[in-house]
Amino acid sequence: NAGVTQTPKFRVLKTGQSMTLLCAQDMNHEYMYWYRQDPGMGLRLIHYSVGEGTTAKGEVPDGYNVSRLKKQNFLLGLESAAPSQTSVYFCASSNSPGTQYFGPGTRLTVL
Amino acid sequence: AQRVTQPEKLLSVFKGAPVELKCNYSYSGSPELFWYVQYSRQRLQLLLRHISRESIKGFTADLNKGETSFHLKKPFAQEEDSAMYYCALSMFSGGYNKLIFGAGTRLAVHP
Repeated sequence: NAGVTQTPKFRVLKTGQSMTLLCAQDMNHEYMYWYRQDPGMGLRLIHYSVGEGTTAKGEVPDGYNVSRLKKQNFLLGLESAAPSQTSVYFCASSNSPGTQYFGPGTRLTVL
Repeated sequence: AQRVTQPEKLLSVFKGAPVELKCNYSYSGSPELFWYVQYSRQRLQLLLRHISRESIKGFTADLNKGETSFHLKKPFAQEEDSAMYYCALSMFSGGYNKLIFGAGTRLAVHP
């Protein structure tokens, strides 16, 4: 039982490049979330999903897209990376909104 | 607007001293509050939630609706308590429940 896994762990991009972050969970959770963590700002919700095939915007969705084609996977895409998207990205899953299980994070640097 | 405020970025104490990490919230509905913790090089994990009224690792937190606070307390800090602590509010918005996190407080416990 791996819980929540994220790939990759680290990535460096140049401005304008695109990439996809993958989150996978093996707990059969309905809800999945993508957050970014920045110093002094805590965790901010980017997008979330309440079930397979559904997604919704969080606090800071601009510049990101998501897809939940399979219940266990939640993908976060950056179509044209910008330096402001340099951050640590966390995925989480849950069956109740308050008790979330987090992945180990992806550290992204955009030059 | 819904908000979670953690006024201290850093709290530095000596081993054996009492600890209180402050959390204030702003929410018009019935609040459901949580404390999450992130130890060094580990993923974020749930520490406790107010509806459980439990003590985890010696920590307790009481919801004070009059003061809109949910401070985290421990009578005698240990070095292994050093971590980043996040207060979070579960709120209903856009048809779904989601978590709003505070900016976090880093607790440093010195020997």
